[in-house]
Amino acid sequence: GAGVSQSPSNKVTEKGKDVELRCDPISGHTALYWYRQSLGQGLEFLIYFQGNSAPDKSGLPSDRFSAERTGGSVSTLTIQRTQQEDSAVYLCASSLTSGGGLRSEQFFGPGTRLTVL
Amino acid sequence: AQSVTQPDIHITVSEGASLELRCNYSYGATPYLFWYVQSPGQGLQLLLKYFSGDTLVQGIKGFEAEFKRSQSSFNLRKPSVHWSDAAEYFCAVGAADSWGKLQFGAGTQVVVTP
Repeated sequence: GAGVSQSPSNKVTEKGKDVELRCDPISGHTALYWYRQSLGQGLEFLIYFQGNSAPDKSGLPSDRFSAERTGGSVSTLTIQRTQQEDSAVYLCASSLTSGGGLRSEQFFGPGTRLTVL
Repeated sequence: AQSVTQPDIHITVSEGASLELRCNYSYGATPYLFWYVQSPGQGLQLLLKYFSGDTLVQGIKGFEAEFKRSQSSFNLRKPSVHWSDAAEYFCAVGAADSWGKLQFGAGTQVVVTP
């Protein structure tokens, strides 16, 4: 079956512009995660969704970052007023259920490479 | 503070030689441990995981890892490396009672030479 997909695969934007990154999880996966992979910071957790709710937003670096999930499926990560330090690869992952915690494997998408000029 | 350390940023290994990637963790809670691989342009793929029980775990692609509680380590090994194993490898840790949040090491880039 289809894996986790993300779009766009690459995004180049100018400093100060807003961007939206999309994640389509595996069908039926109720848990969804966003991570950021950047030079110098490695892989960092951003936010976790269970269904349409986000019980843990602790990794969002500032209030310029927000995310939503609709219909228990697609998620959008929005970065407002982008800064150069936002340049990174944004990874999305989904798992069948969060009830199993880490015993439920997270499947990762290919990521969106964001470049802020 | 919780941390995951991969001491080796870059490793070069000859095809057919053995490979060992190191991972050390500092975690207050009972840790669940994982190794992921990331090939160029690909997402992360789970190689293996350790929750409890037998401390030597087998994974996909011929990889294995050994959990050593006394050393707070979870090193990844492969007896004979193939050119297709060139990739970046990430060790990750999570709390056993968590909903699924993972903390990753900085990664080790593996280069395979002919």
